[in-house]
Amino acid sequence: NAGVTQTPKFQVLKTGQSMTLQCAQDMNHEYMSWYRQDPGMGLRLIHYSVGAGITDQGEVPNGYNVSRSTTEDFPLRLLSAAPSQTSVYFCASSPSDRLGSYEQYFGPGTRLTVT
Amino acid sequence: AQKVTQAQTEISVVEKEDVTLDCVYETRDTTYYLFWYKQPPSGELVFLIRRNSFDEQNEISGRYSWNFQKSTSSFNFTITASQVVDSAVYFCAHSTGANSKLTFGKGITLSVRP
Repeated sequence: NAGVTQTPKFQVLKTGQSMTLQCAQDMNHEYMSWYRQDPGMGLRLIHYSVGAGITDQGEVPNGYNVSRSTTEDFPLRLLSAAPSQTSVYFCASSPSDRLGSYEQYFGPGTRLTVT
Repeated sequence: AQKVTQAQTEISVVEKEDVTLDCVYETRDTTYYLFWYKQPPSGELVFLIRRNSFDEQNEISGRYSWNFQKSTSSFNFTITASQVVDSAVYFCAHSTGANSKLTFGKGITLSVRP
């Protein structure tokens, strides 16, 4: 199993550009999520999905869109990049239950710089 | 709302010292899960341990041990005889409910000097 994969690993954007960060998992996990990591802030949840066709907002959703058309893929779209979106982005997946009991498996991260 | 506090931001120790990383959580739920993750300098996030709210037994895994105390809402992590390879950022996290949303603390940067 490849686990959770993310592409690209690095990206530089100019303010106002749009792009999609890709995330895929091959573990048939129902739950997928996107986090951003900023210095001194820990990881903050952007969006998450509990299954194909179902998405919801996390703590910091503004400026980002997601969709979940398949179990495997959960892309994150930046609509109009801003310098405040400079961050490291992690995708994660896990099995889903009613208790939140499973550990999440994280991808390697995408380092995004917006100039 | 859930909250996880890691009051220590940076800790520096000399190899072979013991070190404890503190984690305090806030929750209104009776069923919840607590986690520790490690982020080494290479950047990936590595799962270390999960503990549910009904299991207050301490856990030991090699040089690592965890102390969960509901009375003080704490889930502390101790590394015994620290090694340089333990240098990393350590995150405590909380999860509850069907949405499995993880709430992370801000992380503790541990530096182990030779």
